[in-house]
Amino acid sequence: DTGVSQDPRHKITKRGQNVTFRCDPISEHNRLYWYRQTLGQGPEFLTYFQNEAQLEKSRLLSDRFSAERPKGSFSTLEIQRTEQGDSAMYLCASTGQSQYGYTFGSGTRLTVV
Amino acid sequence: RKEVEQDPGPFNVPEGATVAFNCTYSNSASQSFFWYRQDCRKEPKLLMSVYSSGNEDGRFTAQLNRASQYISLLIRDSKLSDSATYLCVVRGEGTGGFKTIFGAGTRLFVKA
Repeated sequence: DTGVSQDPRHKITKRGQNVTFRCDPISEHNRLYWYRQTLGQGPEFLTYFQNEAQLEKSRLLSDRFSAERPKGSFSTLEIQRTEQGDSAMYLCASTGQSQYGYTFGSGTRLTVV
Repeated sequence: RKEVEQDPGPFNVPEGATVAFNCTYSNSASQSFFWYRQDCRKEPKLLMSVYSSGNEDGRFTAQLNRASQYISLLIRDSKLSDSATYLCVVRGEGTGGFKTIFGAGTRLFVKA
């Protein structure tokens, strides 16, 4: 499978717990993006990596959120002290040099109870 | 005003109908334009790019009007499988994420 992989597909957690999601982009893609999508809305940008460098962070990425891409391959998104408002679909996307369009992973659906 | 605006719908059309969606954007410096399709509880998938000259892919036609800052998607001979949410995407110059803005989507239901 050469697509973008995300794990887990679903996560239910209690408020206040920490969660971590993983994204494996298409291997030749050097650009990786995290988005968040809630019901009835389009994806909202969270953060962007080019190789291992985190070049952009949205204000949506509060201090409870952190993302890494240590070797320029897979990425992790961690949410600390989860809140009910964090419940959403977290989407990872990657692009290559052509920058044509995003290839999204299947997403991680987070439910905070 | 939102940077990218779409009519949320839903559009309910019978099979075989022609349906058109519009999307307006506020940043006149936007460089690239796309339509994505998103099925319920699935990830968005790139449907097609939108060029000033207009482009067609089978039953789908996309057009861009830079002067009026809107893009359109036309679907001819609708199929049941076309039922989905269609997201308009506008991108500025560069590779970052800030300049790629997704609309909230237009929902389409095609009925037999």
